[in-house]
Amino acid sequence: DADVTQTPRNRITKTGKRIMLECSQTKGHDRMYWYRQDPGLGLRLIYYSFDVKDINKGEISDGYSVSRQAQAKFSLSLESAIPNQTALYFCATSAPRDSSGANVLTFGAGSRLTVL
Amino acid sequence: QKEVEQDPGPLSVPEGAIVSLNCTYSNSAFQYFMWYRQYSRKGPELLMYTYSSGNKEDGRFTAQVDKSSKYISLFIRDSQPSDSATYLCASNTGNQFYFGTGTSLTVIP
Repeated sequence: DADVTQTPRNRITKTGKRIMLECSQTKGHDRMYWYRQDPGLGLRLIYYSFDVKDINKGEISDGYSVSRQAQAKFSLSLESAIPNQTALYFCATSAPRDSSGANVLTFGAGSRLTVL
Repeated sequence: QKEVEQDPGPLSVPEGAIVSLNCTYSNSAFQYFMWYRQYSRKGPELLMYTYSSGNKEDGRFTAQVDKSSKYISLFIRDSQPSDSATYLCASNTGNQFYFGTGTSLTVIP
């Protein structure tokens, strides 16, 4: 099984619908992130969480909300989806530092969302 | 100005060529510099990272950082078709990660 699992992998929905993307991890990491990736814009941070009681907005949080249900689970919700939220969404995890002192991200395989 | 800038390419090379992928960054506080590889329809995976200035080699891949010019490079020797992917450079300041937009590389057999 993958270290970071995202569901669904693909979703097509209509404008105005509520959508939830889920992420679970077996890395045992405290830190979890949600990014969206758009062509030419790269990865942009939506929300991040350093533990179950810690939620922080990223650079593009408007229109999104998150829930950290447990150390291993971090879900992203679009309360009322709009077409410009069509993108590839990635969940990622990190530990504060690995054995060499580096702080690196482990990504899930992505959730492709299309809003019609 | 973005924290990390990267030429998006695309870059197309023949098999066996040496590939050079480059980024620049603006934040002097950056200390760790990472390269991620992303295959089509997959998530980015960490390829390698370096700390501060200098080189780090891993097989056919060499990562290089020049902090004086704020320049990050990834060299791929003897490139293979399996190296065809998008390569993202990144750095972080502990809590935040900053990514380049990615360079698309195609290695032609």
